[in-house]
Amino acid sequence: ETGVTQTPRHLVMGMTNKKSLKCEQHLGHNAMYWYKQSAKKPLELMFVYSLEERVENNSVPSRFSPECPNSSHLFLHLHTLQPEDSALYLCASSQDSVLGGRGYTFGSGTRLTVV
Amino acid sequence: EDQVTQSPEALRLQEGESSSLNCSYTVSGLRGLFWYRQDPGKGPEFLFTLYSAGEEKEKERLKATLTKKESFLHITAPKPEDSATYLCAVQAENSGGYQKVTFGTGTKLQVIP
Repeated sequence: ETGVTQTPRHLVMGMTNKKSLKCEQHLGHNAMYWYKQSAKKPLELMFVYSLEERVENNSVPSRFSPECPNSSHLFLHLHTLQPEDSALYLCASSQDSVLGGRGYTFGSGTRLTVV
Repeated sequence: EDQVTQSPEALRLQEGESSSLNCSYTVSGLRGLFWYRQDPGKGPEFLFTLYSAGEEKEKERLKATLTKKESFLHITAPKPEDSATYLCAVQAENSGGYQKVTFGTGTKLQVIP
């Protein structure tokens, strides 16, 4: 059990669909993140939410929309996606945005396929 | 711009054959270097944090070391269950706010029985 739970584990969606990814952590962490992992590429930070601020990667298309209603829950809303958005989407949490000794705690990810 | 380069991209070892994975980095100021293990279809799992040159950390068959330019993950007498992708990441020092983390592309390790 990683302490960070992501649902769903797998998602297949058409380009015109709207779906949401959910992430939940009960580790008492104050920062949560969305990362995109594509084959043979480094993990790409998409969004950060912490007590201090929200940070966005400016290269992330507007078809991805994050929501963080509280420090334990994080959502990624998806709409009008493209096939190149197919990837593993990872949620992570940390005590705060200055990583301490344990770094990130990652969830198991959502494998997204856009058809 | 911060950079992390991992080598080799893939490594195949016989069970018991020790080796090392490399993580070279350039960062304006290092706050921490992290090693993670990732199994197929799962999220990365934390292994080690190193903060300063000369530091070493050990866990079972794994030992991580750090210099001012690179880190090594030494695997001693590996077993098939050590097969995974190993990721390296660095966090840079900033004056305030979010501290950017840069990941490498990983080394995929396969240990053959």
